[in-house]
Amino acid sequence: RKEVEQDPGPFNVPEGATVAFNCTYSNSASQSFFWYRQDCRKEPKLLMSVYSSGNEDGRFTAQLNRASQYISLLIRDSKLSDSATYLCVVTGGGKLIFGQGTELSVKP
Amino acid sequence: EADIYQTPRYLVIGTGKKITLECSQTMGHDKMYWYQQDPGMELHLIHYSYGVNSTEKGDLSSESTVSRIRTEHFPLTLESARPSHTSQYLCASSARQGYGDTQYFGPGTRLTVL
Repeated sequence: RKEVEQDPGPFNVPEGATVAFNCTYSNSASQSFFWYRQDCRKEPKLLMSVYSSGNEDGRFTAQLNRASQYISLLIRDSKLSDSATYLCVVTGGGKLIFGQGTELSVKP
Repeated sequence: EADIYQTPRYLVIGTGKKITLECSQTMGHDKMYWYQQDPGMELHLIHYSYGVNSTEKGDLSSESTVSRIRTEHFPLTLESARPSHTSQYLCASSARQGYGDTQYFGPGTRLTVL
């Protein structure tokens, strides 16, 4: 079993749709959680950290459920520019553990 | 924007050649990392360093080696390149920012071994 598992993609959605990504992690000792975004053939970039109380940044909302070891990312009113691969990331053994990513394609 | 640089950005080279991929950061970060990523696939950690003279192997076995003689510099070397080494190599650095380590990535080196 992988340490971080994400929804298999791709997600193909129309502009303006709301889309949710899910992620589970296996290490209950993980302390920090993030969502990264990776555009095609580019490097990953931090999208947002995920806090226990949940947090929002504009159209993006992240949730963490430590008991279920589950993280989510909600994107509202999706834009064409949101098309990318979204990586769920957790800390483990002093390192970051990356999920395999979920690809999002937003169509006009 | 993060100040982390990788050179070359693209490299096409023949089998058996020795290559060094350069990575530099100007943020004074102690921790640096090398990842390997094939197209459409997940990132695999191949090396990391927690500071000068510290290097560790990552989760994915790699024939490459690294060194960390200066804080800002973390080069990766392949003594004898093979077609199986064809991949994208991403360098990253991090410093604790109150909530875990945020990693900043360089633009990557896309390596093709013929």
